[in-house]
Amino acid sequence: NAGVTQTPKFRVLKTGQSMTLLCAQDMNHEYMYWYRQDPGMGLRLIHYSVGEGTTAKGEVPDGYNVSRLKKQNFLLGLESAAPSQTSVYFCASSSLRAEQFFGPGTRLTVL
Amino acid sequence: AQKITQTQPGMFVQEKEAVTLDCTYDTSDPSYGLFWYKQPSSGEMIFLIYQGSYDQQNATEGRYSLNFQKARKSANLVISASQLGDSAMYFCAMRGRWSSNTGKLIFGQGTTLQVKP
Repeated sequence: NAGVTQTPKFRVLKTGQSMTLLCAQDMNHEYMYWYRQDPGMGLRLIHYSVGEGTTAKGEVPDGYNVSRLKKQNFLLGLESAAPSQTSVYFCASSSLRAEQFFGPGTRLTVL
Repeated sequence: AQKITQTQPGMFVQEKEAVTLDCTYDTSDPSYGLFWYKQPSSGEMIFLIYQGSYDQQNATEGRYSLNFQKARKSANLVISASQLGDSAMYFCAMRGRWSSNTGKLIFGQGTTLQVKP
């Protein structure tokens, strides 16, 4: 089992460019999450999904969109990247009331 | 409002000694869960231990134990016999009943632990 994987691992964007981060899990989890990690701020929830075809906003959703067309995949999109979106992005998945399993993270720099 | 506070940005411990990482939480939910995660310098998030608010005993997982004091709203992580590989950032997180059907977690700011040889 690969667990939770994220693509890409690193990316540099210019302001205004768009990109999609892909998260995949092979544990048949219903719940998936996207977080961003910034120094001194812990992890903050961007968007989450409680099942295939459903998405919801988290704590810091502005500037991001998500889609969950397949149960195993959760995509995070940046339509027009801004320097404030420079961060490390983590995807996680879980079954209800269990611990979350995290992917390795994506380091994104927006110039 | 739900909140997790970790007041120690950084800590040092001598190898083979025990160390306590502090975590306090704020919630009005009668039912909640508390988690600790480890993030080594390689960046991955590793689940360590879980404590439910109604659990009668403090959780333990190998060298990790959770000192849960419900009245004080604290859930401190105790690492016994520290090893060099314990050097990492540690995050406390909470899931309240308000998010029991979504599984959402709230994280603290983290504590960086350095183990000295």
